[in-house]
Amino acid sequence: DAGVIQSPRHEVTEMGQEVTLRCKPISGHDYLFWYRQTMMRGLELLIYFNNNVPIDDSGMPEDRFSAKMPNASFSTLKIQPSEPRDSAVYFCASSTDRYSNQPQHFGDGTRLSIL
Amino acid sequence: LAKTTQPISMDSYEGQEVNITCSHNNIATNDYITWYQQFPSQGPRFIIQGYKTKVTNEVASLFIPADRKSSTLSLPRVSLSDTAVYYCLVTDRDDKIIFGKGTRLHILP
Repeated sequence: DAGVIQSPRHEVTEMGQEVTLRCKPISGHDYLFWYRQTMMRGLELLIYFNNNVPIDDSGMPEDRFSAKMPNASFSTLKIQPSEPRDSAVYFCASSTDRYSNQPQHFGDGTRLSIL
Repeated sequence: LAKTTQPISMDSYEGQEVNITCSHNNIATNDYITWYQQFPSQGPRFIIQGYKTKVTNEVASLFIPADRKSSTLSLPRVSLSDTAVYYCLVTDRDDKIIFGKGTRLHILP
């Protein structure tokens, strides 16, 4: 089991640029979650998918953020245009259920810095 | 927006028992409470989950009172390697997934 794989691990870019974060969930997991982690706000759920369909995107901060899951093995989180306040660590997680009776498995995150 | 509340940080010494409490007043009636551990530059990792009363596994115990508005993670005989951030995770009554801000646990020799 390779675990959840995220890329890139680090991203540094200038404000205004488009940023794309990638995630490969664990095979067989029907649920995929995107989180943002900051010192001030801790871990915040941005969006989650079930069987490649977005279910709850109420945590997406604004229209600059978008997420897609074109197939069961790949998801992207895109920020366009990026701003310095988007700097954070972004995590992807997958699970066999949306509820806590099945734990979420996290990737090691993408550390994003917007200059 | 419903939230969870945990102490920001805690210090303890090797060999001691550590208890971290999370309050979650608006927890959904039908979901479990889950705790995660996070080391620097890594994603959170599942430790333990429970619905009510007490649950114990090889690394921790979880105590949940009858009203389920709080839960306490208990780490027996901690070591330096237990230095990490600990998060509770619940679903609230609006069906929202809520992670706390975490408790930074520092174990001293």
